[in-house]
Amino acid sequence: DIQMTQSPSTLSASVGDTVTITCRASQSFGTFLAWYQQKPGKAPKLLIYKASTLESGVPSRFSGSASGTEFTLTISSLQPDDFATYYCHQYNFYSWTFGQGTKVEV
Amino acid sequence: QVQLVQSGAEVKKPGASVNVSCTASGYTFTSYYIHWVRQAPGQGLEWMGMINPSGGRTSYAQKYQGRVTMTRDTSTSTVYMKLSSLRSEDTALYFCANAVAGTPSWGQGTLVTVSS
Repeated sequence: DIQMTQSPSTLSASVGDTVTITCRASQSFGTFLAWYQQKPGKAPKLLIYKASTLESGVPSRFSGSASGTEFTLTISSLQPDDFATYYCHQYNFYSWTFGQGTKVEV
Repeated sequence: QVQLVQSGAEVKKPGASVNVSCTASGYTFTSYYIHWVRQAPGQGLEWMGMINPSGGRTSYAQKYQGRVTMTRDTSTSTVYMKLSSLRSEDTALYFCANAVAGTPSWGQGTLVTVSS
């Protein structure tokens, strides 16, 4: 199974900051990589899919990129609603895998 | 658009089984696998397994082998996830999800509480 190593686990930031979250895959699998924002008790909200495609309705301050087995989520000009937990998700194979999550906090 | 609608919250006693349903719409049901993911309180997302609605082939995470059964009903575009021998550690939000044309979609989640 592909392992996804997400970092950092916690990120302290302020409104207006630019933050970067990284996921490294244990092996190459292409670009079926998604990023989600999640708030307590809710389903994950899709932000980015196919590594860099912005989901409809998601603000353009969210962006994704890929380089080999390294995937990055960037949030530019952090807004108050962006303080949440973020997950990466590999969905290329029969068995899916997720990063451990990054909590973005004040 | 793709929609996955799950059944409502459940409260079960230890040792019982729970059956969660997920009804799909907005695409050809038999063309894409449906996966089940769970999230225990305060924890991350964990893949449980998947079912191919065309034919019913399943693949389960090793952790759940022997305790989970996924089935489907093509007449109603519904998949079912049954988890047996429940224990308190199975208290979690359970999600169904798929990736139609490379775009992930999720159900709203079903809270399963295991308590004596």
